[in-house]
Amino acid sequence: QKEVEQDPGPLSVPEGAIVSLNCTYSNSAFQYFMWYRQYSRKGPELLMYTYSSGNKEDGRFTAQVDKSSKYISLFIRDSQPSDSATYLCAMSEGVTGGGNKLTFGTGTQLKVEL
Amino acid sequence: DAGVIQSPRHEVTEMGQEVTLRCKPISGHDYLFWYRQTMMRGLELLIYFNNNVPIDDSGMPEDRFSAKMPNASFSTLKIQPSEPRDSAVYFCASRSYRGKNIQYFGAGTRLSVL
Repeated sequence: QKEVEQDPGPLSVPEGAIVSLNCTYSNSAFQYFMWYRQYSRKGPELLMYTYSSGNKEDGRFTAQVDKSSKYISLFIRDSQPSDSATYLCAMSEGVTGGGNKLTFGTGTQLKVEL
Repeated sequence: DAGVIQSPRHEVTEMGQEVTLRCKPISGHDYLFWYRQTMMRGLELLIYFNNNVPIDDSGMPEDRFSAKMPNASFSTLKIQPSEPRDSAVYFCASRSYRGKNIQYFGAGTRLSVL
């Protein structure tokens, strides 16, 4: 079993829909949770960064972390065709030493259609 | 800053040949990471450096893979001899020791071994 599980999709939604992307994990030591967005033929870029449990909102994006369930989510409101990309969740135990290592999900491919 | 710069963007080679991938991290960043991305396995950490010193190479698949960082602005990942199963996209990422554990990725090198 992988340390981080993520449904690969593809997920296809109409423009304006609310999108929910999710990851589950098994390592209870993870404290930092991130979502990266990767456009085709590009490198991943950071979208959201959260620490421990709770919610964080940034524009149309909301990240949720439920450490008790080992479950994280990314919500995209009013989805746009420009949101079409692969979304990767990533996690780490800390920010120094071994915590430098990020463990990534395999990514969910999202397509927002006109 | 121009971001993390990788070269070449594409590499096609024949089995048995030596392949060298190059990376220039963001100026001032203390950490450098090499990843490999495939459809089946997602994004896997191969090795990372701190202040030019290799810290963790547990992700390097075999002795055929080697990585160096001769100075703070340059790193190489070498595969010798290359095999078809090495075909993947290889990413380099860097981060600063200050603040959050946010890694900045290059655009990647797409390697095809025939």
